[in-house]
Amino acid sequence: GESVGLHLPTLSVQEGDNSIINCAYSNSASDYFIWYKQESGKGPQFIIDIRSNMDKRQGQRVTVLLNKTVKHLSLQIAATQPGDSAVYFCAELGGDDGSSNTGKLIFGQGTTLQVKP
Amino acid sequence: EPEVTQTPSHQVTQMGQEVILRCVPISNHLYFYWYRQILGQKVEFLVSFYNNEISEKSEIFDDQFSVERPDGSNFTLKIRSTKLEDSAMYFCASSPLGVPSYEQYFGPGTRLTVT
Repeated sequence: GESVGLHLPTLSVQEGDNSIINCAYSNSASDYFIWYKQESGKGPQFIIDIRSNMDKRQGQRVTVLLNKTVKHLSLQIAATQPGDSAVYFCAELGGDDGSSNTGKLIFGQGTTLQVKP
Repeated sequence: EPEVTQTPSHQVTQMGQEVILRCVPISNHLYFYWYRQILGQKVEFLVSFYNNEISEKSEIFDDQFSVERPDGSNFTLKIRSTKLEDSAMYFCASSPLGVPSYEQYFGPGTRLTVT
């Protein structure tokens, strides 16, 4: 079946350091991946996405890396700030062929990022 | 910036009662979704909705659940006879759903507590 998982439930980093949050997925046919950030009491907020024909994509202070060989996804946050404290979820498009045309997202368990001042 | 809104923010109901959770998606979006998140767990897909009909639903979305877009702005999730295990955060999301991005915009959620 489809599943998406994260390696660590909690990650604690010092303010100003770089953070790396990891995610493993099981469906080798998955075509599209997204990282979401969820702050306490709020809904998930889009951070960055990547298609399977790419290895890396950069945004503002964030980079997503995709390793299709080992079915691994990571989110790197540069110069982590207190406002980055949240739960981070990776998600993939659902469907057996990894390309749901209805937009169904399958979420992983989530990693809580704690930023120490 | 346009955003998805949901009401109520918190709903308490007794087991067996019907509840309707309401959402106003972003106005020019075409796809609408409901997800739920049981406390401390991951976000789970319930249903997607496009062109006034369900396009995909999960195993969770059984006969007790239904969705409706009664007018041009609201999108509702109805649970006919609530069970204790329906207690969760329910998130509505919408997207323009176009290549290359399937970015979905989530609302703040409705916390449903079934007693």
